[in-house]
Amino acid sequence: TQLLEQSPQFLSIQEGENLTVYCNSSSVFSSLQWYRQEPGEGPVLLVTVVTGGEVKKLKRLTFQFGDARKDSSLHITAAQPGDTGLYLCAGVYYKLSFGAGTTVTVRA
Amino acid sequence: KAGVTQTPRYLIKTRGQQVTLSCSPISGHRSVSWYQQTPGQGLQFLFEYFSETQRNKGNFPGRFSGRQFSNSRSEMNVSTLELGDSALYLCASSLSYLATEAFFGQGTRLTVV
Repeated sequence: TQLLEQSPQFLSIQEGENLTVYCNSSSVFSSLQWYRQEPGEGPVLLVTVVTGGEVKKLKRLTFQFGDARKDSSLHITAAQPGDTGLYLCAGVYYKLSFGAGTTVTVRA
Repeated sequence: KAGVTQTPRYLIKTRGQQVTLSCSPISGHRSVSWYQQTPGQGLQFLFEYFSETQRNKGNFPGRFSGRQFSNSRSEMNVSTLELGDSALYLCASSLSYLATEAFFGQGTRLTVV
C-alpha cells in the first residue's frame, strides 16, 4: 500500500507542451522530495520542499508543497525530450516513502 | 567524488538459492538504505544501516537481511529466493542517519527463474 498517491500514472506529451504531476497523501510529512529516474539508473533527487505552501523553481520545473504538507505538485513548462523519465515523489518521515511514480514521455 | 556503487549490476538466480548484493556508499557517507523496486509495488523500503547497526526496517520477510561494515559498505542478502523477489534493488547513501538527502546507486537487477 502506497502512502503517497501519484497521478497520473502515465503521461505522454509533445515537446513544448506543459505538464503537471500530482502527489497526494493523507499523512503529514516533515518534507517531501521529488526524484527523476531514467531507465537503467537509480533515482536522482531534484528538490526537497519543507515548508507548507513552499514553491521552488528549478529552470523549467516548478515544485509546490501543499499548505498542510500532505500534497505536492511538479509542473514542467515547455517540456523537452530530455525530461522523459519516471518522476517519483517521496515523503520524509523517519524513512523515505515513495509514490508509485509517473512515467513521463516527451515526444520530439 | 565517486557515486554510490552497486555490484553486481545484473544477476540471474534460481528459485531456492540465496544471493548477496553489495553497496559502496559515497565516501564520507555513513548511512546506507536499501529499496526494492518492482513495476507493481514501486519503491519499497527494506532497511537502513548506520554505524553498522540496522536503524529502520521495512515490511519484508526475514529472508531479507543486511549488514554494514566499519567502512560503511553494506551488503544485502536474500535467502530461499522466490520468483516474486525479481526486482531492481537500489541502495542509497546519506551523510548520516535520518539525513534527508539520499544518493542512489544504479541498482542490481535480480531475476529469479
